[in-house]
Amino acid sequence: GNSVTQMEGPVTLSEEAFLTINCTYTATGYPSLFWYVQYPGEGLQLLLKATKADDKGSNKGFEATYRKETTSFHLEKGSVQVSDSAVYFCALTAYGNNRLAFGKGNQVVVIP
Amino acid sequence: DVKVTQSSRYLVKRTGEKVFLECVQDMDHENMFWYRQDPGLGLRLIYFSYDVKMKEKGDIPEGYSVSREKKERFSLILESASTNQTSMYLCASAVVGGQGGTDTQYFGPGTRLTVL
Repeated sequence: GNSVTQMEGPVTLSEEAFLTINCTYTATGYPSLFWYVQYPGEGLQLLLKATKADDKGSNKGFEATYRKETTSFHLEKGSVQVSDSAVYFCALTAYGNNRLAFGKGNQVVVIP
Repeated sequence: DVKVTQSSRYLVKRTGEKVFLECVQDMDHENMFWYRQDPGLGLRLIYFSYDVKMKEKGDIPEGYSVSREKKERFSLILESASTNQTSMYLCASAVVGGQGGTDTQYFGPGTRLTVL
């Protein structure tokens, strides 16, 4: 079946540090890949997406590249701000499937 | 902008009560979803609907039912609330994607339900 694995545990880093959150997936066919973000007290919102291999999604300084050979979609940002503190979820949807498979999410805390 | 609204942000109910959670979207999306979110477990799909009066079970449907009488509205029903249903409930909607699957999901703000 389709599944997404995110690195374990919260991520705590200082302002202006480099952020990486790992995401790997298992899927049949050619899935679309997503990163969603959940700010405190809010629902999830789409951060970026990629629909085919080698596509790079980007938004608000965040980037992720769809790597079919390593089945990965790692999220990166070069210089984080306190306002980036949130929970980040990796997700995928596969051909003909009405569902998203979510990873368990990573809490990111950015310290001034 | 797509808007998904949920009827309550916070709800407190007693064990055994029947609970209705309402979700409305304003973008004519075919697909609608109900999730629950718990610490350490991420999001788990309860039910989804791909058309009016159509529904499919998700990963954890036990103890829940749903209703979709109109395209814009998707209701989650707890027939007899129990304490283990205390959780954050998130509704989402989506168009059908280019590959025939669901595209970007748009989420409501969530309802934090406490069952005493």
